[in-house]
Parts: sequence; C-alpha cells; structure tokens
Amino acid sequence: NAGVTQTPKFQVLKTGQSMTLQCAQDMNHEYMSWYRQDPGMGLRLIHYSVGAGITDQGEVPNGYNVSRSTTEDFPLRLLSAAPSQTSVYFCASSYDAGVTEAFFGQGTRLTVV
Amino acid sequence: DAKTTQPPSMDCAEGRAANLPCNHSTISGNEYVYWYRQIHSQGPQYIIHGLKNNETNEMASLIITEDRKSSTLILPHATLRDTAVYYCIVRVWGTSYGKLTFGQGTILTVHP
Repeated sequence: NAGVTQTPKFQVLKTGQSMTLQCAQDMNHEYMSWYRQDPGMGLRLIHYSVGAGITDQGEVPNGYNVSRSTTEDFPLRLLSAAPSQTSVYFCASSYDAGVTEAFFGQGTRLTVV
Repeated sequence: DAKTTQPPSMDCAEGRAANLPCNHSTISGNEYVYWYRQIHSQGPQYIIHGLKNNETNEMASLIITEDRKSSTLILPHATLRDTAVYYCIVRVWGTSYGKLTFGQGTILTVHP
C-alpha cells in the first residue's frame, strides 16, 4: 500500500513548455485534489475531483487543467508554464468529503525559468 | 469555513508536552476542528480532528473549549521529530470537499 504517489519529485521547465504532474493513489479513494505551496505560505487548492469523470476548480485554477478518467489517477497539466507557477505541488486523496483524513503525497518541486 | 488564528511560532523542550493553541471564535455548530502538520516541506500529515468532545489518538490530544471558540493540540512528549508547521483548520462536515484551507500555521521547534 503506497498511499499517494507523485511523480516527478523535481522538475525544471522553460517558460512556455507544457508538462503533466502525475498523482496516483492505491486506497480506492473517491476524492482527490491538487494544492500548490509557495514559500512562506499555506497550501492553496488548484483543482479537485469527487470521483472519476468529475472535476471542479479550486482557489487558483488558472493555467492548470485536470481530468479524472480512473479512480486511481488525477494528473495535473500545465498548459504553458510561467515563472509564477514555480512552486511545490501536493496531491491529496481521501475516502469521502466528510470527516475522514486526507492523505498527501510527498510533493513535486517545480521551477519555471 | 471559519477562520482560525494561531501563533506564528512556539518552542518546546524535548520530552515535555507541547501545547499548540488555535482560536476559531466564529466557528459554527457543524464545523469540525482538524489539525495537520507539515515536516520540512513534506506533504501535510493528518493528526487529529474533533467536533466538541476532547479527542485522543496515538499522536496527540485535542482539547476543545466548551464554547468551541478555541482549541489546543497537545503533543504529550515532544521529540525532535515533532518539529514542524502545525495547521489548525475548521471545516464543515461533508461539504467544501478539497477546500482544506491552510493558514500560516504555527512553527513548532522542539529543542534538545
């Protein structure tokens, strides 16, 4: 049982490049989400999903796309990377929208130059 | 979701209890109090949650005041590995999924 796995751990992109951050969970959780964390700040929600085929925007969705074709995977796509997207990205999953705890991945540290 | 207020930093001696306060004076009757921590830029880790009764698990205890306007997370015997940023979050059950609103948290430093 690996929990929430994020790949890659580190990535450097040039401005304008696109890439996909991968997130996979093996706990059969319905709910998954993406956060970004900038230096000295708390986590901010980018997008979330309440189940396969269902996604919605969070607090800071601009510049990012998501899809949820399976329960296990929730990739985050950067369409045209900008320096403002330099951040640490965390994926999380939980069993439901209720009281249960959220499990977080170890993060992807992205630098856009 | 209700806003929370935490001290920016606290210190604790190893082996002593660490008591981390959180103010949530605008909390509603159906809002839970959650605590997470983040160790050195790792992914946040769930610690404990509660509604109105005090709660205890293998990691910590959560004490919620009777009026529910504040709470305290207690790490009974802090170790160096407990040095982390601790986040107090208030959230309505069953709604606002994904919207765990993380504030600045409290940086807890445990000293030898």
